[in-house]
Amino acid sequence: ETGVTQTPRHLVMGMTNKKSLKCEQHLGHNAMYWYKQSAKKPLELMFVYNFKEQTENNSVPSRFSPECPNSSHLFLHLHTLQPEDSALYLCASRGSTYEQYFGPGTRLTVT
Amino acid sequence: AQSVTQPDIHITVSEGASLELRCNYSYGATPYLFWYVQSPGQGLQLLLKYFSGDTLVQGIKGFEAEFKRSQSSFNLRKPSVHWSDAAEYFCAVGSGAGSYQLTFGKGTKLSVIP
Repeated sequence: ETGVTQTPRHLVMGMTNKKSLKCEQHLGHNAMYWYKQSAKKPLELMFVYNFKEQTENNSVPSRFSPECPNSSHLFLHLHTLQPEDSALYLCASRGSTYEQYFGPGTRLTVT
Repeated sequence: AQSVTQPDIHITVSEGASLELRCNYSYGATPYLFWYVQSPGQGLQLLLKYFSGDTLVQGIKGFEAEFKRSQSSFNLRKPSVHWSDAAEYFCAVGSGAGSYQLTFGKGTKLSVIP
């Protein structure tokens, strides 16, 4: 595998379910990001991790819980979501310069 | 706070025609600027970036962009569009130390007529 991978690619869950999104980067980077992309809205930054430490939480509701066990892996744990949380969730990683490299995303539908 | 404006929501061009996608930014210091492309159902792919130096930067897939400080612009260009260029294009500006956040524009959707 190369670059940034995300699983699953598609997820349908009920509002009472608990699920997790996984991101893995194979680029040797030290920073990882979660973004939410909804239709007709700009990309929204959710969380930032640098060297496994969370450095940014962009006022994200507590029903989204990130986890970064090491610099290569990032999880987003989901519970009691709302229909408006349906979106494409993108993971990205960054090395020593500014550019971020994105995974293909997880398309989440909350029913 | 920084911001990015992409004034065109949707652009349609004929295959083989030239393309220019507009991007204006607001940022107090010297910006780090990026263009990304997103095909349907996919993540964002980096096309090109500007950090410093030559204001005309070359990217992948035949794209280029020019940084104009006086106009706070970073427009993306391609001399001859291919049908496979149909996608959504995002301009972004990088800010500050620490978390190295990117602020994205709302995107421009490009349609290509055969």
